[in-house]
Amino acid sequence: DTGVSQDPRHKITKRGQNVTFRCDPISEHNRLYWYRQTLGQGPEFLTYFQNEAQLEKSRLLSDRFSAERPKGSFSTLEIQRTEQGDSAMYLCASSPDGSNQPQHFGDGTRLSIL
Amino acid sequence: GQNIDQPTEMTATEGAIVQINCTYQTSGFNGLFWYQQHAGEAPTFLSYNVLDGLEEKGRFSSFLSRSKGYSYLLLKELQMKDSASYLCAVRESGTPLVFGKGTRLSVIA
Repeated sequence: DTGVSQDPRHKITKRGQNVTFRCDPISEHNRLYWYRQTLGQGPEFLTYFQNEAQLEKSRLLSDRFSAERPKGSFSTLEIQRTEQGDSAMYLCASSPDGSNQPQHFGDGTRLSIL
Repeated sequence: GQNIDQPTEMTATEGAIVQINCTYQTSGFNGLFWYQQHAGEAPTFLSYNVLDGLEEKGRFSSFLSRSKGYSYLLLKELQMKDSASYLCAVRESGTPLVFGKGTRLSVIA
C-alpha cells in the first residue's frame, strides 16, 4: 500500500494561467475524491468519481474547474484562468466501495496564485 | 443544510486526557469520522461511528449520540506528537464527507 500520491506538491502561478494537478489513488480503491482546504478550515468537497464516472460535483466547482478519471485509475483536476481565490490546498482522497469505508488522503497540492 | 461545530483551539498537558466535542446538524446521517491532521500534512483516519456508543482504539476513543447530533473524540495519555488539528466529518446521504473546521490541539509539557 503506497498510499495516495499527488503531484505536484506545490504550484505557484500567475493569475489567469491554467494549472493541472494529478492524483494517483490507492490501487484497489474504486472511489476518488477531490477536496479543497484553506487555512483554518476543514476540507471542502469538490467532486468524486466511482471508477471513471464522475458522480457528484459540488456547487463550489465553477465551470473553470474540470476533473477527469479516464481509465478509472489516476485523476486530474484542471483549473482554467486561475484567480487569487483559487489559492488553497487541493486534496485527493480514495476509498473502497462502502459507506463505512474511510477515505485516505494524499498530502495535497498547495496552489499559490500571484 | 449542514452545520458542524467544533472548538477552534484546545490546550492540554502531556500525559493528560482531552475530549474534543463535535456537534452536527445535517440533512442526513450515514456515519461520522474523525481525522487527525498535522500542519502541512494529509488528514489521517482515526475513527468511525455510525451507531450510538463508544468505539475504542488504543489511546483514542470516539463516542456518538445520533439523537443529540453529538460526538466526541477522547485522547488519553497525551503525547507531544498528538499536537495537531482534529477534524470531525459527517457523511450525509451521499458519499462525500462534510468536514468541520477542525480543532487545533496543543499539547504542552
